[in-house]
Amino acid sequence: AQSVTQLDSQVPVFEEAPVELRCNYSSSVSVYLFWYVQYPNQGLQLLLKYLSGSTLVKGINGFEAEFNKSQTSFHLRKPSVHISDTAEYFCAVGSQKLVFGQGTRLTINP
Amino acid sequence: GAGVSQSPRYKVAKRGQDVALRCDPISGHVSLFWYQQALGQGPEFLTYFQNEAQLDKSGLPSDRFFAERPEGSVSTLKIQRTQQEDSAVYLCASSSGPRSYNEQFFGPGTRLTVL
Repeated sequence: AQSVTQLDSQVPVFEEAPVELRCNYSSSVSVYLFWYVQYPNQGLQLLLKYLSGSTLVKGINGFEAEFNKSQTSFHLRKPSVHISDTAEYFCAVGSQKLVFGQGTRLTINP
Repeated sequence: GAGVSQSPRYKVAKRGQDVALRCDPISGHVSLFWYQQALGQGPEFLTYFQNEAQLDKSGLPSDRFFAERPEGSVSTLKIQRTQQEDSAVYLCASSSGPRSYNEQFFGPGTRLTVL
């Protein structure tokens, strides 16, 4: 069985500050890991994914994530956030169907 | 090009009514997924099609839920005798292949409210 835990339901940060959204997973099979972003009233959009290879993955909009097998983590980071990054972020694991975490709401304060 | 589209975007149903939710995947995508997203939660898998074959329906919560994709393109999720706990956003996703390294593209969802 696979599961995902997003440790923070809400993360408030100031504009231009760095941010880290935490994700831990459990899986008994080979791991594919994903981060999706959901803007209000829109569908999910893929930010980045880890399939294999380098543990540091770069995605769109300046986001990156690091796969840590020993800690079973896949935390998402951005060095400097913008107001437009305000959204819900979902971590997911899966080799076919996706298992999602409960989401982290990122709010950016000016 | 066109993304995944879903209709209707919003649906209000009285308890006990049947509803049908439509998904138009990206043209040529062989895989199609349905997810249910309750308020404040992450999406949860319902069912998966590869072309017209329904390969996994393990996430369907009850026999009131039924999905089909008869010609391997458009899919319909039907919910019979709706109940209040069915209120959620229903997301459809399509991908060009059967594995999750084939990116899943999501539609905007159908928000179902059961009164």
